[in-house]
Amino acid sequence: DSGVTQTPKHLITATGQRVTLRCSPRSGDLSVYWYQQSLDQGLQFLIQYYNGEERAKGNILERFSAQQFPDLHSELNLSSLELGDSALYFCASGLAGGTGELFFGEGSRLTVL
Amino acid sequence: GENVEQHPSTLSVQEGDSAVIKCTYSDSASNYFPWYKQELGKGPQLIIDIRSNVGEKKDQRIAVTLNKTAKHFSLHITETQPEDSAVYFCAASLRNTGKLIFGQGTTLQVKP
Repeated sequence: DSGVTQTPKHLITATGQRVTLRCSPRSGDLSVYWYQQSLDQGLQFLIQYYNGEERAKGNILERFSAQQFPDLHSELNLSSLELGDSALYFCASGLAGGTGELFFGEGSRLTVL
Repeated sequence: GENVEQHPSTLSVQEGDSAVIKCTYSDSASNYFPWYKQELGKGPQLIIDIRSNVGEKKDQRIAVTLNKTAKHFSLHITETQPEDSAVYFCAASLRNTGKLIFGQGTTLQVKP
């Protein structure tokens, strides 16, 4: 158990809809990272938050947004969903912004029909 | 931009043989190189990492080597066992960002 909790584990929705994925980081970790893993794809970095502030942005679509709350949990919002958004979405947490181990949750599997 | 290339994409070995996975990175400012193992239905888990001030690191059957000049790093697994079967990802991180850029992954199959 990594200590990172993601909900929901599975989500099935229709094109055009909006969903919210939630992540609770490991106790004491200030940084939260979101990654997307599509079929046969590696882990694509989406966005990083550190202590409530956006720290780095990757290949995140404009239809996607995220935030980190004062209690350090984070939410990833995906809107106007398309079939191609079907993927595993991972949250990871780590200590203050320096390089070091990231701890991954078990992911939220999103299926868009 | 930052890029990490990983080879091979699939690797099949006999139990007891060695397995080697190689990665190259593009950004010379990268200074942290972890390797993650992802089992089916689970999130990636760190198995070993190396920093840019070290050329080699070993932990039991697993070792990682880093060639900063060539911007290459490799994972070596010796005496492979069926439970080593999984997807392995290399990654690189820029100094003080914490953001990891991952390779495309290698599916390792260890045949009993």
